[in-house]
Amino acid sequence: GQSLEQPSEVTAVEGAIVQINCTYQTSGFYGLSWYQQHDGGAPTFLSYNALDGLEETGRFSSFLSRSDSYGYLLLQELQMKDSASYFCAVRDMDSNYQLIWGAGTKLIIKP
Amino acid sequence: GAGVSQSPSNKVTEKGKDVELRCDPISGHTALYWYRQSLGQGLEFLIYFQGNSAPDKSGLPSDRFSAERTGGSVSTLTIQRTQQEDSAVYLCASSFAGQGRSGANVLTFGAGSRLTVL
Repeated sequence: GQSLEQPSEVTAVEGAIVQINCTYQTSGFYGLSWYQQHDGGAPTFLSYNALDGLEETGRFSSFLSRSDSYGYLLLQELQMKDSASYFCAVRDMDSNYQLIWGAGTKLIIKP
Repeated sequence: GAGVSQSPSNKVTEKGKDVELRCDPISGHTALYWYRQSLGQGLEFLIYFQGNSAPDKSGLPSDRFSAERTGGSVSTLTIQRTQQEDSAVYLCASSFAGQGRSGANVLTFGAGSRLTVL
């Protein structure tokens, strides 16, 4: 079956850099997406990697390696407002093109 | 509309009652998803509508759950004979079809409907 794995929790210090990994097992997919969800809020789209390599959007970057079935979200110059849960997701060709979601990584930022 | 609208934002009901949750997606988005999220947990897929295709109901947890989408726009999720374990936030999301950044990989979520079953 299809599955995505990501750490349940990551702790970092304000101003630092943190990487949230996502490994997946799926027979075919169209790319890797990342979403951010603050406590009590709805998930919001952060980034999408259709191809291997690094995508950069301001302080956030996302990376995909299809050969390694691996991706990550990189957050730089961490701010307290980045404290949230981060979800990776892939669109699976074998599941009616639905998004398959990771369980989420809670990012805790300390001053 | 400008975003995905869900109503009610909060619903408290008694065990055994039926509830209806509504989702108004972004105009032009052909794909619509319902998810359920318990406190501190991930997203549990419930149902997926894409255009005029038959919906994917594979995530509905029991026959007490049903959903419809009228005219390819507004969707209603109905939970019959609610149970305490149905308490959760129900999230609706919509997207365009197709691939790429502007397509089906970018979901816009509503603020959710928080359901509490007493």
